[in-house]
Amino acid sequence: AQSVAQPEDQVNVAEGNPLTVKCTYSVSGNPYLFWYVQYPNRGLQFLLKYITGDNLVKGSYGFEAEFNKSQTSFHLKKPSALVSDSALYFCAVGNMRFGAGTRLTVKP
Amino acid sequence: GAGVSQSPSNKVTEKGKDVELRCDPISGHTALYWYRQSLGQGLEFLIYFQGNSAPDKSGLPSDRFSAERTGGSVSTLTIQRTQQEDSAVYLCASSLLVGYEQYFGPGTRLTVT
Repeated sequence: AQSVAQPEDQVNVAEGNPLTVKCTYSVSGNPYLFWYVQYPNRGLQFLLKYITGDNLVKGSYGFEAEFNKSQTSFHLKKPSALVSDSALYFCAVGNMRFGAGTRLTVKP
Repeated sequence: GAGVSQSPSNKVTEKGKDVELRCDPISGHTALYWYRQSLGQGLEFLIYFQGNSAPDKSGLPSDRFSAERTGGSVSTLTIQRTQQEDSAVYLCASSLLVGYEQYFGPGTRLTVT
């Protein structure tokens, strides 16, 4: 069975600071891992994915994620947060099992 | 090109009535998914279709829920005898193949009164 967990309901960061949104997964075999973002009053958008290859994956809007097999994690990161990054972020495994979401708030 | 479209955007219905929600996927995408999202919550997987294979219905919450996909394109999610707990945003997504990134529609907000 596949499952994914986002341990933080809410993450608050100041603009310009680095941000991390955490995700851990459980899957047998090689995982397909995804991050999606849902901006206020807008649909879900794909950010990035890990299928195989380099553990550091780069995606849209300056986001990246690091796949760590030993820790079964796929944390989303950005070196310098923008107020416009404030949104709901979802991690997904196998493309159909989504985490509960983490609300990111970036304050000026 | 055109993205995933869903209709209606909003639907208010009385408890006990049947509703049909429509999804038009991106042309050429073989996989189509339905999810449910309660207010500010995560996505609950309902069902997915992949090509001509039998759909994965493992996420449907009860036998009041059903879905079909005609001609490998348009899909309809039907909820019979709606209940208040069915109130949610129903999201449709499509992808080139299962395992590829999904493209989501704007959703249908269903309110059961």
